[in-house]
Amino acid sequence: RKEVEQDPGPFNVPEGATVAFNCTYSNSASQSFFWYRQDCRKEPKLLMSVYSSGNEDGRFTAQLNRASQYISLLIRDSKLSDSATYLCVVNTNAGKSTFGDGTTLTVKP
Amino acid sequence: DTGVSQNPRHKITKRGQNVTFRCDPISEHNRLYWYRQTLGQGPEFLTYFQNEAQLEKSRLLSDRFSAERPKGSFSTLEIQRTEQGDSAMYLCASSPLGDPGYTFGSGTRLTVV
Repeated sequence: RKEVEQDPGPFNVPEGATVAFNCTYSNSASQSFFWYRQDCRKEPKLLMSVYSSGNEDGRFTAQLNRASQYISLLIRDSKLSDSATYLCVVNTNAGKSTFGDGTTLTVKP
Repeated sequence: DTGVSQNPRHKITKRGQNVTFRCDPISEHNRLYWYRQTLGQGPEFLTYFQNEAQLEKSRLLSDRFSAERPKGSFSTLEIQRTEQGDSAMYLCASSPLGDPGYTFGSGTRLTVV
């Protein structure tokens, strides 16, 4: 079993839709949690950190449930430019981060 | 400072040859990381440095792989006796001390033929 598991996708949604991605992690000692975005043939870029209290950045909302070891990302009012692969990332110590294999989103006109 | 810089962008090599990649992190970032990514997979941790000290190395990393960060600035990743299974995107990232969020470079794509 992988340390970080994500919905395999792909998710194909129309513009304006709301879409949610889920992620589970196996190491209960994990301390920091993130979502990264990766465009095709590009490097991953940090999208947002994830906090237990939940956090929002514009159309994006991230949630963390430590008891269930579950992370989610909600995208509201999807734009064509949101099409990308979304990587769930868990950091156990200050060094190594473990990445999920990503969920691919395609937003269609 | 324009971010994390990696060179070369692409490298094609014959099986059995040695290759070396370079990473220049964001100048004020103490931590530097190397990851490997293959198609359809997330980045896989290889190793990381805090300043010039190599603090962790993946158990998946064979003895053919070595990384250095001699002066706590740029880093090199060397792969000896390359194999076809080494073909991947090699990503470097850096972060300030105490901040676990990374800034990645554009990567070096290695093809072993």
